[in-house]
Amino acid sequence: GESVGLHLPTLSVQEGDNSIINCAYSNSASDYFIWYKQESGKGPQFIIDIRSNMDKRQGQRVTVLLNKTVKHLSLQIAATQPGDSAVYFCAETNPNNYGQNFVFGPGTRLSVLP
Amino acid sequence: DTGVSQDPRHKITKRGQNVTFRCDPISEHNRLYWYRQTLGQGPEFLTYFQNEAQLEKSRLLSDRFSAERPKGSFSTLEIQRTEQGDSAMYLCASSLASRNEQFFGPGTRLTVL
Repeated sequence: GESVGLHLPTLSVQEGDNSIINCAYSNSASDYFIWYKQESGKGPQFIIDIRSNMDKRQGQRVTVLLNKTVKHLSLQIAATQPGDSAVYFCAETNPNNYGQNFVFGPGTRLSVLP
Repeated sequence: DTGVSQDPRHKITKRGQNVTFRCDPISEHNRLYWYRQTLGQGPEFLTYFQNEAQLEKSRLLSDRFSAERPKGSFSTLEIQRTEQGDSAMYLCASSLASRNEQFFGPGTRLTVL
């Protein structure tokens, strides 16, 4: 398959450990954020989203934290599994282009070690 | 499989040739988006449609690029007089106007020689 993000920052974690992937955003007007997972040869896949009126949202094994003061977003993955290995992107949108297009961050490659 | 399909999956062309890509969105989705992704980068927005109307185009979309969605269902993205800098993954996504979540297709990998 194809490789996505050959020169991306890489986070290596042991299987079973928790992972934390960070993202800084620049537009203080952004009010909606999504985390996407992209496996090699595939398009991005939705993981979890959060609106700016929240600071935390939980899904199945994943939690997104939003700190608007420092414009920082994080994705926490509990009990990381080999299938979590992928490139993770945060994406933001704001009222000026709400639902129209997303601005994606540069991505982080998560590598799960056996 | 998200339900969004793209064709072809891979395209190799010579500089100066025209290429056309197709995207079939999820059938009930009225919004359709095109993104471009280069290695090591996140997807960059190119353009989007609501039904058959093209509502926004990025400054990245030069006049060599044109997109259509004639019947509000499938869409095509054409690149004329391709350049080596056009080599990238072209991603299509679709969504409902009432929802933010965009569902991405597998992409078309373009290589311009």
